[in-house]
Amino acid sequence: NAGVMQNPRHLVRRRGQEARLRCSPMKGHSHVYWYRQLPEEGLKFMVYLQKENIIDESGMPKERFSAEFPKEGPSILRIQQVVRGDSAAYFCASSPTGDSYEQYFGPGTRLTVT
Amino acid sequence: AQSVSQHNHHVILSEAASLELGCNYSYGGTVNLFWYVQYPGQHLQLLLKYFSGDPLVKGIKGFEAEFIKSKFSFNLRKPSVQWSDTAEYFCAVKIWGSQGNLIFGKGTKLSVKP
Repeated sequence: NAGVMQNPRHLVRRRGQEARLRCSPMKGHSHVYWYRQLPEEGLKFMVYLQKENIIDESGMPKERFSAEFPKEGPSILRIQQVVRGDSAAYFCASSPTGDSYEQYFGPGTRLTVT
Repeated sequence: AQSVSQHNHHVILSEAASLELGCNYSYGGTVNLFWYVQYPGQHLQLLLKYFSGDPLVKGIKGFEAEFIKSKFSFNLRKPSVQWSDTAEYFCAVKIWGSQGNLIFGKGTKLSVKP
């Protein structure tokens, strides 16, 4: 059973470009969570999605960031017009249900904005 | 707002030393508690978790943690560390009945000298 997959593992973007981060949950999991880890910080919750639904986006910056989890395909975290402050590791986690006790994490995507 | 505090930013130990990493959270209701480990270059892995019952929880690789409700603490312990335990350790809390996102501490880096 494959774990949570994220790609790319490393992404370099220049200021003003768009970044697209992909997350494929574990097989059988329909709940996806995105977290961001800034240098010297713990993981901060961004958004929680089910298939075709955003359940909680209270941790998402109000502008430039969006997320989706379509019926088919991976979940996408999209950052428009990236700035240097967006440089971070972005982790995706999945769980089988929303009130599941455990979340399984992917390897993360390290975004560097130059 | 709920938060998780990890007291030590960086801990350096020699092999065979005993380990205790502190974790406190700020929430008066029911919580689920987790310790995750992130080995260099790898993704987060679950070490152990507490949901209910015996407050002393055993995890993988000889780790254990004790939930002390009156102190809002969930400290991680290991009697004798190994060089391979060098990693970053994150304490996380899930508010029972919440949408599902985890609240993480900032992490503690553990360096074990051979």
